[in-house]
Amino acid sequence: EAGVTQFPSHSVIEKGQTVTLRCDPISGHDNLYWYRRVMGKEIKFLLHFVKESKQDESGMPNNRFLAERTGGTYSTLKVQPAELEDSGVYFCASRGLGARQPQHFGDGTRLSIL
Amino acid sequence: AQSVTQPDIHITVSEGASLELRCNYSYGATPYLFWYVQSPGQGLQLLLKYFSGDTLVQGIKGFEAEFKRSQSSFNLRKPSVHWSDAAEYFCAVGEKNTGFQKLVFGTGTRLLVSP
Repeated sequence: EAGVTQFPSHSVIEKGQTVTLRCDPISGHDNLYWYRRVMGKEIKFLLHFVKESKQDESGMPNNRFLAERTGGTYSTLKVQPAELEDSGVYFCASRGLGARQPQHFGDGTRLSIL
Repeated sequence: AQSVTQPDIHITVSEGASLELRCNYSYGATPYLFWYVQSPGQGLQLLLKYFSGDTLVQGIKGFEAEFKRSQSSFNLRKPSVHWSDAAEYFCAVGEKNTGFQKLVFGTGTRLLVSP
């Protein structure tokens, strides 16, 4: 079984540019999550999809961040325009049905804003 | 809101020695608790989880953790550390008010293994 896959593994862009991160969850997992770790800080929740619907987006920092999950399969997280403070590692996780199923994480995308 | 504290930012352990990483959480009821590990260049891998029942849980790679309600702790242990265990370890709790969907993480403990 393939794990959670994230693209790209590393992205370096300039302030003001746009970047789109992609996450392919484990096949069949309806729940998809985005988290972010800013340097030296804890990993923080951004949002949660159930299939194509946003269940909880309470962690999204501001309206420069847009997450989508069209068709309930892969998800994208777009940052537009990127700011210096958006630098960090963005993790995606997916989870199957059942409250006791754990979240499985991808390798993350390291985003560097110059 | 729930919170997780990992008081040790860095820990250095000699290879073959025992290991205990501390984790304390703040939550009124029985939480869902997790330990994840991030090896260099890798993503987060689940080591073990606790939902209910036996308070001593076994995980992968020889790790175990003990849930102690009275101390609000979920410390991770390993009897003999291997050089490949050098990584960053994260304790996390599932928030009940989100149906345990949203994980709250500690700041992580980086483990260094000396020869």
